[in-house]
Amino acid sequence: DSGVTQTPKHLITATGQRVTLRCSPRSGDLSVYWYQQSLDQGLQFLIQYYNGEERAKGNILERFSAQQFPDLHSELNLSSLELGDSALYFCASSVGEAGGPGEQFFGPGTRLTVL
Amino acid sequence: GENVEQHPSTLSVQEGDSAVIKCTYSDSASNYFPWYKQELGKRPQLIIDIRSNVGEKKDQRIAVTLNKTAKHFSLHITETQPEDSAVYFCAASIKGNQFYFGTGTSLTVIP
Repeated sequence: DSGVTQTPKHLITATGQRVTLRCSPRSGDLSVYWYQQSLDQGLQFLIQYYNGEERAKGNILERFSAQQFPDLHSELNLSSLELGDSALYFCASSVGEAGGPGEQFFGPGTRLTVL
Repeated sequence: GENVEQHPSTLSVQEGDSAVIKCTYSDSASNYFPWYKQELGKRPQLIIDIRSNVGEKKDQRIAVTLNKTAKHFSLHITETQPEDSAVYFCAASIKGNQFYFGTGTSLTVIP
């Protein structure tokens, strides 16, 4: 157990719908990262937050958005869902800038299926 | 942005042999290079990492080397065991911000 929690574990929805994925980082970690892992593919970096502020953006679609709340948990919102959005979505956390680049701890992931 | 390439995509070795996975990166600003192991259906887990001010790091049977000039880094696993079978990902990061991952290497250790 990495200490990072993600809910829900599984999510099945239809095209055009909107879903919210939730992540709670390890205690003391200020950085949260979101990744998308499609079948047989690597990890695509989506976005990073540090202490409530957006720090870096990767290959995140305009239909996707995220935020980090004052209690440091983060939510990833996916809207106008398409079949191709079906994937495993991971959240990871790390100490963040104060500790320099360091180990990311991954959550168990949310498997999203769009029908 | 950063582009990380990883080779080979699949690797089969006999138990006890060594395995080597290679990655290249494009952005000279990248200064942190972790390696992750992901077993089927599970989360990625860090197995070793190296920072740009170090050329080599070793942890028991696992070692990583970094060549900043050539912009490549490699993972070496010695005395492989069946439990080493998994998908391995390299990554490059600029100061712990964006993390760019390679496409993964599926390692199979044959008993």
